[in-house]
Amino acid sequence: GQNIDQPTEMTATEGAIVQINCTYQTSGFNGLFWYQQHAGEAPTFLSYNVLDGLEEKGRFSSFLSRSKGYSYLLLKELQMKDSASYLCAVTLLTGGGNKLTFGTGTQLKVEL
Amino acid sequence: DGGITQSPKYLFRKEGQNVTLSCEQNLNHDAMYWYRQDPGQGLRLIYYSQIVNDFQKGDIAEGYSVSREKKESFPLTVTSAQKNPTAFYLCASSILAEPGNTIYFGEGSWLTVV
Repeated sequence: GQNIDQPTEMTATEGAIVQINCTYQTSGFNGLFWYQQHAGEAPTFLSYNVLDGLEEKGRFSSFLSRSKGYSYLLLKELQMKDSASYLCAVTLLTGGGNKLTFGTGTQLKVEL
Repeated sequence: DGGITQSPKYLFRKEGQNVTLSCEQNLNHDAMYWYRQDPGQGLRLIYYSQIVNDFQKGDIAEGYSVSREKKESFPLTVTSAQKNPTAFYLCASSILAEPGNTIYFGEGSWLTVV
């Protein structure tokens, strides 16, 4: 089976940096997605990592280590609007199709 | 504007009734998906379709049915056999069905059993 772990909740201060971790145990790992989801809304795509290393996109960066089964999402210069749930999801090479398996999400609260 | 449209946004179902959630996309995507989201749980895959006239069960297909008669449309029927249907339902699509293609989501539909 597959197992994806994220912290349930995190709190950070406006203007600061926060790192949200995700660990996974899967067979046939292909890549890892990060999505942002505000309460009651659709998840929106943030990043996709398939190779080891850091991918930077503005204030958001995502890192992947395939050998360690580990990823993190780094948010810089936090803003109040970054308060949301951050979802880690993996795709597999096997099993057919482009199915995503999600973690339970990390609820981030940004405070003044 | 291109996107994924789900309707209705809010739906109430009586016990024993079947209900259908609509999902339409004008992105010309081949693959479409239905996910269910419950509080404190991750999104779980109900059904997916890689191409027109084809669909496959996901991890929690029992009590649900789908059809894919047109590329743009992937409706989900929640049948009376689904014992705990109250949830947030998300339709999604991707250009292709191969792993790694970004999956884009609709705005979601809230289903409540009354």
